[in-house]
Amino acid sequence: GAVVSQHPSRVICKSGTSVKIECRSLDFQATTMFWYRQFPKQSLMLMATSNEGSKATYEQGVEKDKFLINHASLTLSTLTVTSAHPEDSSFYICSARDHRTADTFGSGTRLTVV
Amino acid sequence: AQSVAQPEDQVNVAEGNPLTVKCTYSVSGNPYLFWYVQYPNRGLQFLLKYITGDNLVKGSYGFEAEFNKSQTSFHLKKPSALVSDSALYFCAVSPSPPGSARQLTFGSGTQLTVLP
Repeated sequence: GAVVSQHPSRVICKSGTSVKIECRSLDFQATTMFWYRQFPKQSLMLMATSNEGSKATYEQGVEKDKFLINHASLTLSTLTVTSAHPEDSSFYICSARDHRTADTFGSGTRLTVV
Repeated sequence: AQSVAQPEDQVNVAEGNPLTVKCTYSVSGNPYLFWYVQYPNRGLQFLLKYITGDNLVKGSYGFEAEFNKSQTSFHLKKPSALVSDSALYFCAVSPSPPGSARQLTFGSGTQLTVLP
């Protein structure tokens, strides 16, 4: 079946630094990738939609300069949290979509900013 | 705009008993419906989807869901619950079929606890 690898699974960083999260589709080409943020015991909040070779489409209220998304190939998208602050601490999840089936999700990244 | 409602934040069921996790939706046009399960500190795992065809959809781990157009519902069911089924369950809807760029809209999630 389709597999999406997301790294790192956990990261702790100091306030003011930047963190990059990678999302890779291992056995299929993803036409579109999505980035979500999830707060404890809450649903997924879509942050942005990423298509290979084009700029990401951000949801209302999501700062594009804060959350940089790069989708350089059909198998890789990255989310960089720039100048991280404690309020950016959250669980970030990516998903990848191809033409065949439902979205496949990564295992998530627990970001803690201290 | 589409929306999904999961009216129960928490569902408790005894092991071996049938379980139901409720989901209702609102979407323009034909709905494409999904169920996902999430274990602690993990991403979402796909359980099943309804695109077209039979209203009763069978998925992974013995789960099934029934699409009811008149009631705009897509309840998740399992005949006999296992303790290992305890997790957070999300229903999702899209107005477009898989492969399109349209986003999924998720429900708020239902925490299922299966008691031994």
